[in-house]
Amino acid sequence: GAVVSQHPSRVICKSGTSVKIECRSLDFQATTMFWYRQFPKKSLMLMATSNEGSKATYEQGVEKDKFLINHASLTLSTLTVTSAHPEDSSFYICSAQKPGTGGDEQYFGPGTRLTVT
Amino acid sequence: QKEVEQNSGPLSVPEGAIASLNCTYSDRGSQSFFWYRQYSGKSPELIMFIYSNGDKEDGRFTAQLNKASQYVSLLIRDSQPSDSATYLCALTFGGGGNKLTFGTGTQLKVEL
Repeated sequence: GAVVSQHPSRVICKSGTSVKIECRSLDFQATTMFWYRQFPKKSLMLMATSNEGSKATYEQGVEKDKFLINHASLTLSTLTVTSAHPEDSSFYICSAQKPGTGGDEQYFGPGTRLTVT
Repeated sequence: QKEVEQNSGPLSVPEGAIASLNCTYSDRGSQSFFWYRQYSGKSPELIMFIYSNGDKEDGRFTAQLNKASQYVSLLIRDSQPSDSATYLCALTFGGGGNKLTFGTGTQLKVEL
């Protein structure tokens, strides 16, 4: 299998605080992980590509200083939303690419629902 | 602009019928194709991937890829109410690394 976990599953924080979300590949090593956000009834929007041991690559329009990504090991990537504001409230989902399968399959974590009050 | 087009639906099929979901794409350099299922409020779940022209079957699911016509489809046989979800078509394209480009999804409703 290919299991990806995320923690926390749900978080409520006050405006101005920072929130860290963890993404772990449980049964495989992932050199590449991805971070998405999804608004209600909308498709997934890729925020950044996280590569183990190097800086993340951010998509156009995504503030790298606001969404800090760290991929410190082959099984863990973290996304920190700094100085969160209500407009950052969203469903954040990570995915991990499973190597050695001959393709580009990405397996998604269960997501983190962030509410900023 | 790399585009992936899906009919948003909803597509309604009776229980036991075949559901046919279609996806077209604009970039001929697209390499790998995926179908994800997403239940409301949940994250996407990979159900099929296909890399070569033709059909690929896995249980009740069949993915069909036609690169010349630039479409990929998903057939669900013996549809069940539990198949009711949004189905996302996604692909990677040459020069895009491993990034997935998603369609907006087709909502499937399987009715009793």
